[in-house]
Amino acid sequence: KAGVTQTPRYLIKTRGQQVTLSCSPISGHRSVSWYQQTPGQGLQFLFEYFSETQRNKGNFPGRFSGRQFSNSRSEMNVSTLELGDSALYLCASSRDRASTDTQYFGPGTRLTVL
Amino acid sequence: EDQVTQSPEALRLQEGESSSLNCSYTVSGLRGLFWYRQDPGKGPEFLFTLYSAGEEKEKERLKATLTKKESFLHITAPKPEDSATYLCAVQARGNNDMRFGAGTRLTVKP
Repeated sequence: KAGVTQTPRYLIKTRGQQVTLSCSPISGHRSVSWYQQTPGQGLQFLFEYFSETQRNKGNFPGRFSGRQFSNSRSEMNVSTLELGDSALYLCASSRDRASTDTQYFGPGTRLTVL
Repeated sequence: EDQVTQSPEALRLQEGESSSLNCSYTVSGLRGLFWYRQDPGKGPEFLFTLYSAGEEKEKERLKATLTKKESFLHITAPKPEDSATYLCAVQARGNNDMRFGAGTRLTVKP
């Protein structure tokens, strides 16, 4: 079974630009969560999507947004990029939202903002 | 507010030298505690989920245990390939997001 895939793997942008990252969950998984990982703050929750609806959101500014499609694939968008947005962006999928479900992570997208 | 603290920040072991990693947590109603392993430049790899105090799970040289306030990841006779950052995370009841600790960076020397 294929794991979670994320594209692109690496991205370089400049301040003020916007970026869209893509995540394809494990087949059959309907919940997709996004996390930001930086050396200083560690892994922080961005948001979760299930059945095309945002179910939960972390403490990030409105420049960070996302969506989920009917095939469970998800995208996240960051507008007006800042230097501090440089990070590894991780997507994780789980089968459902049941308490026994485990989140499996993709390889991440490394975003560098210059 | 939910909090997760991992110790030590870094641990260096000789091959075969067993040790334990600690994860202390405070959460308003534990739904699950998770252990992941992360290699440099890669996404976290799932290891274990623990749901209630007293629960234990094992996988090869790793064993995870859970109490009401902390979890331990015991590594028995580690090998160099066990070198990685080990992350602990908690999920509160009613939430699907995970709060992560800062991780323990383990280095196993041959």
